[in-house]
Formats: sequence, structure tokens, C-alpha cells
Amino acid sequence: DADVTQTPRNRITKTGKRIMLECSQTKGHDRMYWYRQDPGLGLRLIYYSFDVKDINKGEISDGYSVSRQAQAKFSLSLESAIPNQTALYFCATSDPGQLNQPQHFGDGTRLSIL
Amino acid sequence: ELKVEQNPLFLSMQEGKNYTIYCNYSTTSDRLYWYRQDPGKSLESLFVLLSNGAVKQEGRLMASLDTKARLSTLHITAAVHDLSATYFCAVDRGGSQGNLIFGKGTKLSVKP
Repeated sequence: DADVTQTPRNRITKTGKRIMLECSQTKGHDRMYWYRQDPGLGLRLIYYSFDVKDINKGEISDGYSVSRQAQAKFSLSLESAIPNQTALYFCATSDPGQLNQPQHFGDGTRLSIL
Repeated sequence: ELKVEQNPLFLSMQEGKNYTIYCNYSTTSDRLYWYRQDPGKSLESLFVLLSNGAVKQEGRLMASLDTKARLSTLHITAAVHDLSATYFCAVDRGGSQGNLIFGKGTKLSVKP
């Protein structure tokens, strides 16, 4: 089983709909992140969480919200989806006690908003 | 504001050749990461570089870090088709925040 699991893997929806992307991890890491990837732009940070009570905005948080339900679960919501939120979304985790370790990424959610 | 620039963004090379991908960043940081991404796939960690002068090698790939020049390089030796992928560098914002700024990626195509 994957250490970082994202659901759904693919989603097509319409403008104005509320969407939730979910991420769960079995790595026991405290830190979790949501990124979006657009062609030619690399990955950009949306939100990050250092623990259940610590949530922070990233570079591009407008139009998104998150919920850290437990150490292992971090959800990303689009309250009213718009077409320019069409992208590939990645969840990642890291262990603050292991600064020599990279962030670990899920397999991604491909989101298309019509 | 931390900015990370990779070049080239596209690289087409023949098998057996050598080449270098460059990653420049704009402010001080002491942690730099290289990732590989195959089309439609997740990001796979290649190297973690933590100090000035760090050099790491895995197979045909070698990464180095010069924190004074704010430059990391990913050198490819005797390229093979299996190395075709997009390569990203990512720089830590610092302060133990664990927040990464990614370059735009270098799409590498190795042709027979």
C-alpha cells in the first residue's frame, strides 16, 4: 500500500461545485502539504500543516480551504470550483525531525473543472 | 522572495552523451532537493543536499550544491533512454519551515 494516498485519483466536475480532495498517510509524519501542478509552472504550495492545530497558507491559497482531521488526514476543498483550478494536485508529507529526508508525495489527483 | 530558476527547461539529448541541468535560487537556503517525475506520475526523490559542497551520486546522476553561488547542478553521465523524465529542483525556504519552492522543471528526452 502507498504511504501517501490521495482520493479521488481523477475528478471531472462543473464550475461552482464544491470539491473535496482527500489525503491520508501511514508514514506517521506530522507535516502535510497540498500543492498544485500546472504545465510549465512546477509545483506551487497551497496550504501546509505542521500538526492538527497548525494550518498555514501557502503561495496560492485563495479559493481553497483545508482541514486536518487527524495526524494522518489532510483534506483540500474548493468551495466553488472555477475552470482555472483545473490542475494536478499533490499531497505530501514530511517529518520535522528528519531534515535530511525529502517530502514524500502521493500519486496525485487530476482535477478538471468544466 | 525566494525564486528558483532551472535551465534549460527542455533538453533533448542522445544516448551516451553528458549534460548538466542548473538550478539557481535567489536567497540563502541550506537545503535543496532534486526530484524526478515521469509523465502522469508522482514525484520521486533523487537527492537531498544539505550543505555547501555537498555532492551525491546515484547511477548516472550526480548532484552538487554551492550555497555561496546559490547554485545546484544535476549532471547526467552517458544518458540512457530510461532517464527521460522531468527533473525538478526545490529549495527550502529555511527556518525549519519545510516549505519548498520548486523550479519549473527540466523536461529531459533521451533519444537513441
